Amino acid sequence: GAGVSQSPSNKVTEKGKDVELRCDPISGHTALYWYRQSLGQGLEFLIYFQGNSAPDKSGLPSDRFSAERTGGSVSTLTIQRTQQEDSAVYLCASSVWRLYEQYFGPGTRLTVT
Amino acid sequence: GESVGLHLPTLSVQEGDNSIINCAYSNSASDYFIWYKQESGKGPQFIIDIRSNMDKRQGQRVTVLLNKTVKHLSLQIAATQPGDSAVYFCAETSMNTGTASKLTFGTGTRLQVTL
Repeated sequence: GAGVSQSPSNKVTEKGKDVELRCDPISGHTALYWYRQSLGQGLEFLIYFQGNSAPDKSGLPSDRFSAERTGGSVSTLTIQRTQQEDSAVYLCASSVWRLYEQYFGPGTRLTVT
Repeated sequence: GESVGLHLPTLSVQEGDNSIINCAYSNSASDYFIWYKQESGKGPQFIIDIRSNMDKRQGQRVTVLLNKTVKHLSLQIAATQPGDSAVYFCAETSMNTGTASKLTFGTGTRLQVTL
């Protein structure tokens, strides 16, 4: 079946611009996660959605970062007023409620110039 | 394209040999551990998991060992193949947090398989 998809695969933006990254989770998966992977680093948790519950935003690095999940499916991660340190690969993952195997998308490589 | 860092610890193994990738975790409350494989330009892929009530778990060509005393996890790959070349991450979480798991990832080890 279809896996997690993300778009765009690559995004180059100028410092100060806003960007939106999209994630389409696996159908039927109620949990959705966003991670950031910087060069030389492991995966850094950003935010997670579980069903209709309030999202866990504890990993968002600043108030420039926000995410929403519409209809319990597609999610959008928005970064406002991008900075060069935001350059990274942004990964989305989904999993079945209370199961722990997270399926990852291919990521969006964001470059802020 | 390159999706992970250039300064990761690297393990070079000859094709056919066994590989052992190590991971130290810090949270003594963690009771569920996962190994992921990440190939260049792709997202991490689940390999194998282990719960804290086990010391060892085997999959196809892979074995995970857990030593809770020293908070150490290892991934053993038997008869390493060129297709095993990737970055390997361990991840940990506590199943008692009441959430659908917020994984904490290690920094990763790059496995290079030489012919």
